[in-house]
Amino acid sequence: SQQGEEDPQALSIQEGENATMNCSYKTSINNLQWYRQNSGRGLVHLILIRSNEREKHSGRLRVTLDTSKKSSSLLITASRAADTASYFCATDRAGGTSYGKLTFGQGTILTVHP
Amino acid sequence: DAGVIQSPRHEVTEMGQEVTLRCKPISGHDYLFWYRQTMMRGLELLIYFNNNVPIDDSGMPEDRFSAKMPNASFSTLKIQPSEPRDSAVYFCASSPTGHQPQHFGDGTRLSIL
Repeated sequence: SQQGEEDPQALSIQEGENATMNCSYKTSINNLQWYRQNSGRGLVHLILIRSNEREKHSGRLRVTLDTSKKSSSLLITASRAADTASYFCATDRAGGTSYGKLTFGQGTILTVHP
Repeated sequence: DAGVIQSPRHEVTEMGQEVTLRCKPISGHDYLFWYRQTMMRGLELLIYFNNNVPIDDSGMPEDRFSAKMPNASFSTLKIQPSEPRDSAVYFCASSPTGHQPQHFGDGTRLSIL
């Protein structure tokens, strides 16, 4: 099974509404990261939350992490049309020989209508 | 500061041809990653380097793919011979250390006819 699976696959909302995306993973992690990808561009890092953290904020972004459930959520408040993009979670797995390696989920496509 | 620079941005070639993708990481970053993104398989890690040394190439699909990092400021991903199923967007990313966020280039959109 894939590490880092996002839910929902697609989300369509109106400007001003909040958008929540979820990510589940399967192994122990050092940290979990969220990235945004605009059409035709590379991924851009949004926020990193470490395994010993439960919540983190950055501007209109709020990320939570529940290591007991192996899940994370990304909340974008007061969404704007410019937030339209794909959002990916990525896990930095703990232990093993995978130091430095991130495993990305399939992403959530967010569309914010003006 | 300049970000990760990839070239070319677009490449269209016929099957059987050799394709070389290039990447210049951010100066001072010790890690360099090559990914492939397709609709069907999402974002896949192909290979990554630490201090110019390949650490994990388990994602390289087959012997037709090879990657090198001759110095800290340059890496190549080569496909020889290319096949239509290699069509994808190839991304290069770099990070300062192994546990820090990765910085992505804008990718090379490769089409093999």
